[in-house]
Amino acid sequence: DQQVKQNSPSLSVQEGRISILNCDYTNSMFDYFLWYKKYPAEGPTFLISISSIKDKNEDGRFTVFLNKSAKHLSLHIVPSQPGDSAVYFCAATPLSGSARQLTFGSGTQLTVLP
Amino acid sequence: DSGVTQTPKHLITATGQRVTLRCSPRSGDLSVYWYQQSLDQGLQFLIQYYNGEERAKGNILERFSAQQFPDLHSELNLSSLELGDSALYFCASSVGGQIGRGWYEQYFGPGTRLTVT
Repeated sequence: DQQVKQNSPSLSVQEGRISILNCDYTNSMFDYFLWYKKYPAEGPTFLISISSIKDKNEDGRFTVFLNKSAKHLSLHIVPSQPGDSAVYFCAATPLSGSARQLTFGSGTQLTVLP
Repeated sequence: DSGVTQTPKHLITATGQRVTLRCSPRSGDLSVYWYQQSLDQGLQFLIQYYNGEERAKGNILERFSAQQFPDLHSELNLSSLELGDSALYFCASSVGGQIGRGWYEQYFGPGTRLTVT
């Protein structure tokens, strides 16, 4: 049972345009959401996060939107650059309790075309 | 560079053998996490330690064990290895401790690629 789903395995975008990566979750206990970027042969790199008390968080070219009622979040990258080409994972964790393991989606391969 | 180090980078071993993967967390981080990434499974949580104590367990096989030492480095021990254990093993660390100080962001090491032949 996949609790965090990224339904698009791949996405291609032209340089300078907006990239929108989507993520859905099913577990109502998830309260904190994170996006990671991963290049081949490297570990995931933390990008941006959002708490369930917010619906938007911005950091430079990256914005994450959260729709709690729809259990959906999205990552917007504007403008997209060729160096953004990587696999993007969304992850989620509950705020309650002492455990902090992340549940990851399966990832979306973003390709930014020059 | 996340500040999390993992050794070795690559490991090739035979079925039935035992290996130890090592992780040093970022300076000041008290929590260490281990994840497995295999081809068909994505990133799966294995186990979490906080300041030397086991805090959470995921889908970790009984053949696998881990510990966190007083200097906060951690080791993941994999025994009676099978072909299906071939995967990338990532260690991550986070601050832990007081809520609100970046407690939830985990920073990942470069991983250890394990190949069981």
